[in-house]
Amino acid sequence: QVQLVQSGAEVKKPGASVKVSCKASGYTFSSYAIHWVRQAPGQRLEWMGWTNAVNGDARYSQEFQGRVTITRDTSASTSYMELRSLRSEDMAVYYCARQRQDYGMDVWGQGTTVTVSS
Amino acid sequence: SYELTQPPSVSVSPGQTARITCSGHGLPKQYAYWFQQKPGQAPVMVIYKDSERSSGIPGRFSGSSSGTTVTLTISGVQAEDEADYYCQSADSSGTYVFGGGTKLTVL
Repeated sequence: QVQLVQSGAEVKKPGASVKVSCKASGYTFSSYAIHWVRQAPGQRLEWMGWTNAVNGDARYSQEFQGRVTITRDTSASTSYMELRSLRSEDMAVYYCARQRQDYGMDVWGQGTTVTVSS
Repeated sequence: SYELTQPPSVSVSPGQTARITCSGHGLPKQYAYWFQQKPGQAPVMVIYKDSERSSGIPGRFSGSSSGTTVTLTISGVQAEDEADYYCQSADSSGTYVFGGGTKLTVL
């Protein structure tokens, strides 16, 4: 079946980087864009960025510009999100989600919890 | 930056109709999407392209659009519909945004 499986929970120190993976299965990976969305405890969903389906080019929210890099490995059907210079405010659950054209983010990963603590 | 505005909370009794609004200046030009999120779970898309119901979503969920406001309507609300609901859209430059979320309480 169609699914996105994310890597496990991470604990990082302030100032460190984290890289979360999102492995797709059950569909043609390169036919879909991949979004990354995060949610701090008790807070709203926050869009971070995406890679488009056509060529994998990435676009980022201004909130994360310069700190986040989203890449994909089509041979491994996997998307990666790296966030640098972590601070306590980055503690959140990070989700990936796929999208085809205008059909919306129809499948989501299970989420990856990132804890930032000294 | 582009913002989508939702009411923080909506409360209805079982069997009644719940309406959750989302306002944004770009909504006349860009599609809106609605997501349901229950505690501890990933979001689930319930409506796409303003008014299309996602596969497997009950018929009591519907979406509509009028000018700068889109509305998620849940007719005959059931206890299982209690959740947070988020609208989402994009601006013309390809930047995506979520609304602040609305907590639906079934009394």
